[in-house]
Amino acid sequence: AQRVTQPEKLLSVFKGAPVELKCNYSYSGSPELFWYVQYSRQRLQLLLRHISRESIKGFTADLNKGETSFHLKKPFAQEEDSAMYYCALSDWRNDYKLSFGAGTTVTVRA
Amino acid sequence: DGGITQSPKYLFRKEGQNVTLSCEQNLNHDAMYWYRQDPGQGLRLIYYSQIVNDFQKGDIAEGYSVSREKKESFPLTVTSAQKNPTAFYLCASSDSWETQYFGPGTRLLVL
Repeated sequence: AQRVTQPEKLLSVFKGAPVELKCNYSYSGSPELFWYVQYSRQRLQLLLRHISRESIKGFTADLNKGETSFHLKKPFAQEEDSAMYYCALSDWRNDYKLSFGAGTTVTVRA
Repeated sequence: DGGITQSPKYLFRKEGQNVTLSCEQNLNHDAMYWYRQDPGQGLRLIYYSQIVNDFQKGDIAEGYSVSREKKESFPLTVTSAQKNPTAFYLCASSDSWETQYFGPGTRLLVL
């Protein structure tokens, strides 16, 4: 069975500092990985997916199969980045169901 | 925000009572999902449906039931068998494996 681990429940950084959210996974095969974000009083929404290799709101995430990681990074954090972030893995062998990590709450301080 | 709606926003359940959470989408998505969100545990899948009149159990289906009689609707019933129902419930829909679109959620509280 697949498993997604986000080791940090809380992460606090200063505005303008780099921020990195860790995500590790266990999956036998080629994973499809995503980052979802939930801003205060807003819905959970997709931030980015590894297959697109895109940068959204300054965030990037690189899939490292050797380390089974998909860490989310941003070089200069902004106050509006304060939110709950979830790493998720899609299991194509099981109806593409998403498995979510426990989430990391990010607070960006001025 | 349109697309996918959930009601009510808050729901109170008495001991031994069944309650039903509503989820509606106008995105013409085939697949719909119900998740339970608890602090420190992330989202856990309760039930999902990939097509009308068909649904499958997720990881924590015990004490819950669903129906999918219409493409746009996927109601979740929390039965009296669910001993710890207090949680935030999220409904989602998708038209592909890539992206799920989430509703605003329903918070269920036990009286």
